[in-house]
Amino acid sequence: QSALTQPASVSGSPGQSITISCTGTSSDVGAYDFVSWYQQHPGKAPKLMIYDVSNRPSGISNRFSGSKSGNTASLTISGLQAEDEADYYCSSYTSSDTGVFGTGTKVTVL
Amino acid sequence: EVQLVESGGGLVQPGRSLRLSCTASGFIFGDYAMSWVRQAPGKGLEWVGFIRSKGYGGTTGYAASVKGRFTISRDDSKSIAYLQMNSLKTEDTAVYYCTKYNRNDGWAFDIWGQGTMVTVSS
Repeated sequence: QSALTQPASVSGSPGQSITISCTGTSSDVGAYDFVSWYQQHPGKAPKLMIYDVSNRPSGISNRFSGSKSGNTASLTISGLQAEDEADYYCSSYTSSDTGVFGTGTKVTVL
Repeated sequence: EVQLVESGGGLVQPGRSLRLSCTASGFIFGDYAMSWVRQAPGKGLEWVGFIRSKGYGGTTGYAASVKGRFTISRDDSKSIAYLQMNSLKTEDTAVYYCTKYNRNDGWAFDIWGQGTMVTVSS
């Protein structure tokens, strides 16, 4: 199972919106609505930000939103803030009854 | 407070074995599937494997990179999940995280432990 493809880095100014893509195949992202997104700050454990493509866990800001089209899922961060600077990973269930993560995207707030 | 605490990491020689433990608290452990995720130094996240709750068959699944070498088990009476790692390779060096699924029929990790470092080196 190959890792899902994400851009290595995305940047934006405070207040702007950015979108991170996560491209898989018809055996993972395209097959199920089980795409989730995680935020990881340096030296910390990842944190769930979005599950089931577009749902936010309790306590997660509505500035974070998710969507999916075909084999590509996306995470959008609106009103970018300094605290959003972190690494972001997508994840999906696969047809092999296993899981897979994305390659990771470093978000920089300019 | 919902919490996962990993233990058992350390330095081990290639070809040897190591068992990690994940002690859960603050939720009904037996009701949830659990998973292990690892992160090599400076690298991204890698899903390692999972174990479903007994109510969903208690089945397991593994990444191709560890299948046949790693085994996940659980002791619901103690609220502990285990990761037995055999025939360790240098490429298994990573921080290993224990995670909880948000629900049994979903695929999202809503609780993470702090991680335990495993270093495979001679």
